[in-house]
Amino acid sequence: DAGITQSPRHKVTETGTPVTLRCHQTENHRYMYWYRQDPGHGLRLIHYSYGVKDTDKGEVSDGYSVSRSKTEDFLLTLESATSSQTSVYFCAITEWGGGKAEAFFGQGTRLTVV
Amino acid sequence: GQQVMQIPQYQHVQEGEDFTTYCNSSTTLSNIQWYKQRPGGHPVFLIQLVKSGEVKKQKRLTFQFGEAKKNSSLHITATQTTDVGTYFCASANFGNEKLTFGTGTRLTIIP
Repeated sequence: DAGITQSPRHKVTETGTPVTLRCHQTENHRYMYWYRQDPGHGLRLIHYSYGVKDTDKGEVSDGYSVSRSKTEDFLLTLESATSSQTSVYFCAITEWGGGKAEAFFGQGTRLTVV
Repeated sequence: GQQVMQIPQYQHVQEGEDFTTYCNSSTTLSNIQWYKQRPGGHPVFLIQLVKSGEVKKQKRLTFQFGEAKKNSSLHITATQTTDVGTYFCASANFGNEKLTFGTGTRLTIIP
């Protein structure tokens, strides 16, 4: 499973509160990604990182920020959680090379905003 | 940006029946990937196709990449209860190191 750990696995939070999700990897992968999964929408990219302190937006980045201060950790922050951010969040690393790209996912974090 | 549509969204089949999910793009894709997500689990990579008209098989699963490289399909022969889950297609953009996922097809099996 490429040594990816997400924490917490489940969280319930109130509207307007800040929330930080953590993704930790142990295999020194350069590329890390945050996706959200919602019925009917599949997996949508929120933000991704291509190195320490190097991040970029995905297709659904509004309301989210990320940080990567060291290779192994990629943090996703909801500055002020809204009910529309209730979702399952997956962190992933992707190995690129030799004409192949393969994504490995963490176990997911189920976030409920009430 | 690149968009990948997947149909159907849901499919219920009797155990032993065949199942097919389709992935379509309005633009030419350099590659197509397929992932499987078991209920309550995370997506797991199955395969990548890169050549026009390519067909690959994994036991009862057959993957095809269209001649125009704008569509792909995953066909499961004689479904089993272990096939339950959501199947996603995805396309990798090697220029910006992003994967674009389809909306997924959720397969349920009626024993």
